[in-house]
Amino acid sequence: EVQLVESGGGLVQPGGSLRLSCAASGFTFSSYAMSWVRQAPGKGLEWVSAISGSGGSTYYADSVKGRFTISRDNSKNTLYLQMNSLRAEDTAVYYCAKREQWLGDNWFDPWGQGTLVTVSS
Amino acid sequence: SYELTQPLSVSVALGQTARITCGGNNIGSKNVHWYQQKPGQAPVLVIYRDSNRPSGIPERFSGSNSGNTATLTISRAQAGDEADYYCQVWDSNWVFGGGTKLTVL
Repeated sequence: EVQLVESGGGLVQPGGSLRLSCAASGFTFSSYAMSWVRQAPGKGLEWVSAISGSGGSTYYADSVKGRFTISRDNSKNTLYLQMNSLRAEDTAVYYCAKREQWLGDNWFDPWGQGTLVTVSS
Repeated sequence: SYELTQPLSVSVALGQTARITCGGNNIGSKNVHWYQQKPGQAPVLVIYRDSNRPSGIPERFSGSNSGNTATLTISRAQAGDEADYYCQVWDSNWVFGGGTKLTVL
């Protein structure tokens, strides 16, 4: 069974930093691209960042470019999101998700249970 | 950037058929994926590539896509189907609709 378990969320002051982790199991982690998707309280889903299976290619939403860094350690089957210069609008539940693809199309399955990040003074 | 439009809410009587739409410019030329999110839980894929059901998803869930509208259809709606539903397409990155809250009366 594929499992994704996020950790690292919490309360942080504006301008602060936080690193999220996502531990993966049940599949060949290095063979799959992974993503982070967030959901602000009471709001919809927003894609944040993605990384290729090897880690050699990374992608970011404009809203986090230059502040967030996605990475992975395939020896530990773990995905990371380093978040710097955090703002109140970054407050959200952050989900990691495994990318599925077919002929250039992309979707997510499954998703982790999420970790809450609250940016507030 | 590509935009997807969903109704904020849809209501359906118990046992009847619910239809949730997802609008986008010529969305029929793209593949649409649907996620179900129950309160306090992570999203779950219920339909991928317009009309395919992942293993474990009941046959009551189906999808279609044509022209400017994709539709998620839930037959014989149950109380357990109450959730938020999100459509998603790939347009050089992942684009989500705003979500639709399904209420089963």
